[in-house]
Amino acid sequence: QQQVKQSPQSLIVQKGGISIINCAYENTAFDYFPWYQQFPGKGPALLIAINPDVSEKKEGRFTISFNKSAKQFSLHIMDSQPGDSATYFCAPRGYQKVTFGTGTKLQVIP
Amino acid sequence: DSGVTQTPKHLITATGQRVTLRCSPRSGDLSVYWYQQSLDQGLQFLIQYYNGEERAKGNILERFSAQQFPDLHSELNLSSLELGDSALYFCASSVLGFRENEQFFGPGTRLTVL
Repeated sequence: QQQVKQSPQSLIVQKGGISIINCAYENTAFDYFPWYQQFPGKGPALLIAINPDVSEKKEGRFTISFNKSAKQFSLHIMDSQPGDSATYFCAPRGYQKVTFGTGTKLQVIP
Repeated sequence: DSGVTQTPKHLITATGQRVTLRCSPRSGDLSVYWYQQSLDQGLQFLIQYYNGEERAKGNILERFSAQQFPDLHSELNLSSLELGDSALYFCASSVLGFRENEQFFGPGTRLTVL
């Protein structure tokens, strides 16, 4: 049974546009909700994360929106840049448990 | 650079063989995590060690084992290798345990089983 569903699988956005990636989870024991960014040939790196006691967190051009009742959280990338082209993973985490989403390949075209 | 090092970078071997992957965590980090990334299964958590002791297990096969040594480096042993074990294997580290906010990932070891 898949516990984490990430969408879309791939995304093409014009430079300056908004990229939106969604993550739905089932495990109510998750209590930390990060997004990772992975470039080809590199390991994932933490981009931004949120705790369940807030509904939104913004860091620069990156925003997480969290809906606890719907068990969903999303990543918004404002003013998307070609350098943002990468694969993004949600990875909700609980006690001794982490489940990665299937990844979203983002391409930002000039 | 995350500060986590992994060796080797690439490994090519045959079915039935055994290999050992090595990870050195960031200085000061006590926890080491192993992950497998494959095209069909995505990124999966395998196992976590904290200060030399196993703390959490994910989707790790019985043919796989790991350990963390007193100097905190870790090794992942993969035996009786199958074609389906071909994947990227990542090590990550954090200061404390699973509730630590950030895990720092190494560059990975690409394993190819022929």
